[in-house]
Amino acid sequence: AQSVTQLGSHVSVSEGALVLLRCNYSSSVPPYLFWYVQYPNQGLQLLLKYTSAATLVKGINGFEAEFKKSETSFHLTKPSAHMSDAAEYFCAVKGGNEKLTFGTGTRLTIIP
Amino acid sequence: SQTIHQWPATLVQPVGSPLSLECTVEGTSNPNLYWYRQAAGRGLQLLFYSVGIGQISSEVPQNLSASRPQDRQFILSSKKLLLSDSGFYLCAWTRQGLASGTQYFGPGTRLLVL
Repeated sequence: AQSVTQLGSHVSVSEGALVLLRCNYSSSVPPYLFWYVQYPNQGLQLLLKYTSAATLVKGINGFEAEFKKSETSFHLTKPSAHMSDAAEYFCAVKGGNEKLTFGTGTRLTIIP
Repeated sequence: SQTIHQWPATLVQPVGSPLSLECTVEGTSNPNLYWYRQAAGRGLQLLFYSVGIGQISSEVPQNLSASRPQDRQFILSSKKLLLSDSGFYLCAWTRQGLASGTQYFGPGTRLLVL
């Protein structure tokens, strides 16, 4: 079985500051991991995914995430926050079946 | 390229009325299809998924049903809506047989049951 824990349902950072959104996973098989972003009243958009090719994954909009097996983590970072980054972010894991298991989401607020 | 459509975008329905939400995918064949619900301030709940025409797996027993009458069409239905059915409904697809299982989401349908 797979599960995902996102620490912090709400995160606020100042514009230009580092963004760090935390995700820890549990999986009985080598996982595939994903970060999605959701803007208000829209569907989810894929930010990046880990598929075992490289532990540091670069995504769209300047985001990246590092897969750390020893820590079972896949935290999302961005060096400098922009106002347009304000959204909800979801971490997800895929194990051995056709389904993704999503975390409960982290709402990111950018302070001007 | 592939695109996924959902309609309607917004729906306001009285309690006890029927429901039909539609999702279609273009630009691919034999996709896996998924219905999720997102209640206000909460995460995504997988409702149904389908790996082929007429093949539906239900994740949560509830007031809803799903059907897949055509390869790229996925329909979410209810005979009698409840207040608790309000939420944001998302359809997603993934390429069948792809190990990573990346899911791509539609724009969603906002349902308000009054």
